[in-house]
Amino acid sequence: GENVEQHPSTLSVQEGDSAVIKCTYSDSASNYFPWYKQELGKGPQLIIDIRSNVGEKKDQRIAVTLNKTAKHFSLHITETQPEDSAVYFCAASAGGFKTIFGAGTRLFVKA
Amino acid sequence: DAGITQSPRHKVTETGTPVTLRCHQTENHRYMYWYRQDPGHGLRLIHYSYGVKDTDKGEVSDGYSVSRSKTEDFLLTLESATSSQTSVYFCAISTESSGNTIYFGEGSWLTVV
Repeated sequence: GENVEQHPSTLSVQEGDSAVIKCTYSDSASNYFPWYKQELGKGPQLIIDIRSNVGEKKDQRIAVTLNKTAKHFSLHITETQPEDSAVYFCAASAGGFKTIFGAGTRLFVKA
Repeated sequence: DAGITQSPRHKVTETGTPVTLRCHQTENHRYMYWYRQDPGHGLRLIHYSYGVKDTDKGEVSDGYSVSRSKTEDFLLTLESATSSQTSVYFCAISTESSGNTIYFGEGSWLTVV
């Protein structure tokens, strides 16, 4: 079946450094790539997304890049802060129920 | 805030007992989903609904059933709970107008002992 691979599974950075999380998808029909942040005991929250007609999108300290040819997309967080510590999920979607999630990356930001 | 309420938020039940989780939405969204979250597996789709009485299976539907008799409510039932169904369950919605972006509820923690 279709899948999304997400790396790394755990990432530890020093406050102020950058963090990069990478995902690879298999379904060529995927055209929408959201990223979610999940804090302990809560549901995943959408933080940024990108559609297949765009190569890069930025929102303050976070950015996403998409390479449709290689089926790769990445999340970049700059100037990390302790409150960025959470689990991050990528997803590749060909529409609603055709959304496949990565296994998640646990990000630790050390003060 | 996607206007999603899940109940109960926490439940401990015994193997073999039936369990129903409820999801209520206030925004009249057409699409609703049930996911389970387990370490190393991310979020996996159990069942989804595209309208009242219209439901279909997801990736991990065995042992689960759903019902949607009203637009605002989507119920997930474990007919006979097993220890492998210990998990965190998330209800979600999506809207055609938002480009099918999925929004999650706060989760229901289920422990089967």
